[in-house]
Amino acid sequence: KAGVTQTPRYLIKTRGQQVTLSCSPISGHRSVSWYQQTPGQGLQFLFEYFSETQRNKGNFPGRFSGRQFSNSRSEMNVSTLELGDSALYLCASSSVTGVQETQYFGPGTRLLVL
Amino acid sequence: AQSVTQLDSHVSVSEGTPVLLRCNYSSSYSPSLFWYVQHPNKGLQLLLKYTSAATLVKGINGFEAEFKKSETSFHLTKPSAHMSDAAEYFCVVRYYNQGGKLIFGQGTELSVKP
Repeated sequence: KAGVTQTPRYLIKTRGQQVTLSCSPISGHRSVSWYQQTPGQGLQFLFEYFSETQRNKGNFPGRFSGRQFSNSRSEMNVSTLELGDSALYLCASSSVTGVQETQYFGPGTRLLVL
Repeated sequence: AQSVTQLDSHVSVSEGTPVLLRCNYSSSYSPSLFWYVQHPNKGLQLLLKYTSAATLVKGINGFEAEFKKSETSFHLTKPSAHMSDAAEYFCVVRYYNQGGKLIFGQGTELSVKP
């Protein structure tokens, strides 16, 4: 089975622009979660989607949004980019949304905001 | 607040010696606990997970962890370090009332000397 894939792998944007990141989960997985990883803040939860519905949201401003499609693929959008948005954005998928379910991570998208 | 604390930001061992990476969690509710490893410029890989079955959990690559409820700990160990174990390790907790949200520790960087 193919793993979680994320595109693009690297992005360079300037302040004020917007960006869309894509995540394709493992085949059959219906839950997708997004995380931001920075040297200062570590790994922080952004949001979780299950069957096209947002189930949980972290403490990020409204500039961060996401959605999930009927084929379980997910996109994350960041509008009005700030320098502090530079980070590795990781997507994870699991078959269902449950406390004991393992989340499988993709390689991430590295975003640099200039 | 529900949280997880990794007690060492950096651990250095010699090849062939034991590894101990320490993790404590807050005990609001019975959690699921995970250890993930991240090699440079790579995504996160699951090492092992605890989900209220056996308290001693065996994972991949010879790692294991013991869940101790009385100490709210979930330390990761390996009897003999290998050079390829050098990476960053994350202790992760998930609470039943928070759906798919993973809460990450700050990470422990493991160095292995020849």
